Amino acid sequence: NAGVTQTPKFRILKIGQSMTLQCAQDMNHNYMYWYRQDPGMGLKLIYYSVGAGITDKGEVPNGYNVSRSTTEDFPLRLELAAPSQTSVYFCASSFGRRETQYFGPGTRLLVL
Amino acid sequence: RKEVEQDPGPFNVPEGATVAFNCTYSNSASQSFFWYRQDCRKEPKLLMSVYSSGNEDGRFTAQLNRASQYISLLIRDSKLSDSATYLCVVNLGSTGRRALTFGSGTRLQVQP
Repeated sequence: NAGVTQTPKFRILKIGQSMTLQCAQDMNHNYMYWYRQDPGMGLKLIYYSVGAGITDKGEVPNGYNVSRSTTEDFPLRLELAAPSQTSVYFCASSFGRRETQYFGPGTRLLVL
Repeated sequence: RKEVEQDPGPFNVPEGATVAFNCTYSNSASQSFFWYRQDCRKEPKLLMSVYSSGNEDGRFTAQLNRASQYISLLIRDSKLSDSATYLCVVNLGSTGRRALTFGSGTRLQVQP
């Protein structure tokens, strides 16, 4: 099992550019999540999904979009990147709502 | 008031010392509680769940106090490898959000 994988590991974007952060899990988990972590801060939930075709907003969804067409994949789309989106992005998955979340290694994004 | 609050530290302790962290949460209907560990520039990983009766895993002991709305983590016989940030995580299920809420973390530095 690869667990939760994320690509790319690091990316530099110019203001106004767009990109998709990829996330995949091979544990057949129903729940998937996207978080961002700013330096010295806790994780903030961006979006989550409880299953294929179902997504919902978290605490900080503005400027992002997600889709969940399969159980395995949960890409995060950034439209019109802004310097405020400079952060580390973590994808996570869990079997159920109260179950342990397993995290990917993260994507470091720098918007200049 | 933050939903989940932690002392950011850092806690600087010598090897072999016992150290304890507390975490307070605001929602009395919170349902599940965890401690995660995050090493520098790495993803969070589950350290242990926290059960109502308290639980122990080797040198680590977790306690839950629902009346006062806090959880604690006790580390005995600290090792250099325990140096990390410890994240308190609470499932605020009653808010309608289905994901976990993370504290900002407490940084522990164990010194030789």
